[in-house]
Amino acid sequence: EDQVTQSPEALRLQEGESSSLNCSYTVSGLRGLFWYRQDPGKGPEFLFTLYSAGEEKEKERLKATLTKKESFLHITAPKPEDSATYLCAVQNMDSSYKLIFGSGTRLLVRP
Amino acid sequence: ETGVTQTPRHLVMGMTNKKSLKCEQHLGHNAMYWYKQSAKKPLELMFVYNFKEQTENNSVPSRFSPECPNSSHLFLHLHTLQPEDSALYLCASSQAGQSNQPQHFGDGTRLSIL
Repeated sequence: EDQVTQSPEALRLQEGESSSLNCSYTVSGLRGLFWYRQDPGKGPEFLFTLYSAGEEKEKERLKATLTKKESFLHITAPKPEDSATYLCAVQNMDSSYKLIFGSGTRLLVRP
Repeated sequence: ETGVTQTPRHLVMGMTNKKSLKCEQHLGHNAMYWYKQSAKKPLELMFVYNFKEQTENNSVPSRFSPECPNSSHLFLHLHTLQPEDSALYLCASSQAGQSNQPQHFGDGTRLSIL
């Protein structure tokens, strides 16, 4: 059964304190791994898609990496506006549309 | 309007009421989705429509009834709901058939069942 586990559940950082969020996954065949950001009262906002082990993508202070078993979302020198819940989802090779989501990591960056 | 828009943003209803949630996408996509998001639980896929045809019903109770009249509009009809149905209901769209195309989400309808 396809499964996604995110850790930690919650993370508090000081502004400028870099850290990483983890997404461990089990899938029979990975079509893609997706990262989303969700602000309170809003829907998830797409950040990255990763396709194969070794791939990396960057956007401002965020960098996503992928291995055969997990993905990391690295946050470099975070700012308070980076505070949000970060969601990870995987898509199985058998489906062109179905996403399996993790429970998310709630990130709080204090000034 | 751009992206995916959902109305209403908030809905309070009694267990015997009938109401509908509406979703409209302005992205030219051909697939639309309903998800349920409950506190501290992963997003749960409810229904998928691909080219207006329902391709997935993820064991959702019959008190939830989807409707997709065209590739830009999606409805979720609600009747005789239970308190455990209180949640954020999210609509999403994507270009199905193209590998790894991300789903784009609306801001959801916050549903409260009295």
